[in-house]
Amino acid sequence: ETGVTQSPTHLIKTRGQQVTLRCSSQSGHNTVSWYQQALGQGPQFIFQYYREEENGRGNFPPRFSGLQFPNYSSELNVNALELDDSALYLCASSRGTSGFSDTQYFGPGTRLTVL
Amino acid sequence: QKEVEQNSGPLSVPEGAIASLNCTYSDRGSQSFFWYRQYSGKSPELIMSIYSNGDKEDGRFTAQLNKASQYVSLLIRDSQPSDSATYLCAVNSFGQNFVFGPGTRLSVLP
Repeated sequence: ETGVTQSPTHLIKTRGQQVTLRCSSQSGHNTVSWYQQALGQGPQFIFQYYREEENGRGNFPPRFSGLQFPNYSSELNVNALELDDSALYLCASSRGTSGFSDTQYFGPGTRLTVL
Repeated sequence: QKEVEQNSGPLSVPEGAIASLNCTYSDRGSQSFFWYRQYSGKSPELIMSIYSNGDKEDGRFTAQLNKASQYVSLLIRDSQPSDSATYLCAVNSFGQNFVFGPGTRLSVLP
C-alpha cells in the first residue's frame, strides 16, 4: 500500500456531463500528478500540482482542470465529458520542488466510463 | 516530444527463466529512471529506481542503465507466474514531468 487514496473507485457518466475525481497524497508528499491511462497504453500525463500551484501540464484540453488543497490532496475535474475520456485515472504523489519531483507512488485509480 | 519506447510484447518466458525487459528514451537530459509493475485492472506499483550508469540489484530484480545509449533495462531472475504483468518504464528530468512508456506485457508460463 502506498498511502495514496483515490475516490471514487468506479464512475459511470454520460457524454456532456462533468466529473470530479479526488486524491489524497501520501504523508510527507507535497506534489500530486494526474495521469490518464487508456486500455493497453501507458499513463499519459495530465498535469501536476506542487504546493497548490499547477506545475506542468500535458497535452490535454482546458476542460481538464485541477486543484490542490493546503493538505496537498487534489481534485481532477473534467467538463463536457466525451466518450474518449473513458479510462483509468491515476493520481501519483511524490516529494518535489518547483522543478523536480521525486519517485511517484500511485493510488488505486478511478475507472471512468463515459456512455 | 520526449518519448519512451518499449516493446509491447507479450514477452513469454518459462517459470524459473530470466525475463529481460528493455526501454529506450529520447531525452538525453533524463536523470531518473523507474520501473513499475502493473497487474491487469490495478494501478502501477514501483519496482525500482535507478539514477546512475550501471546495475542496481534488488532481490530478483536488476535494473541496468546506459545513459550514453539512452537505454534502461530490467532483468527478472527466477521468473514466477506471479510476475506476469505489464512493466512500465518511466523517465524523469529536472523541469520536466514523468514520461511513461507504453509498457511490456510479460507472461511467465508455469
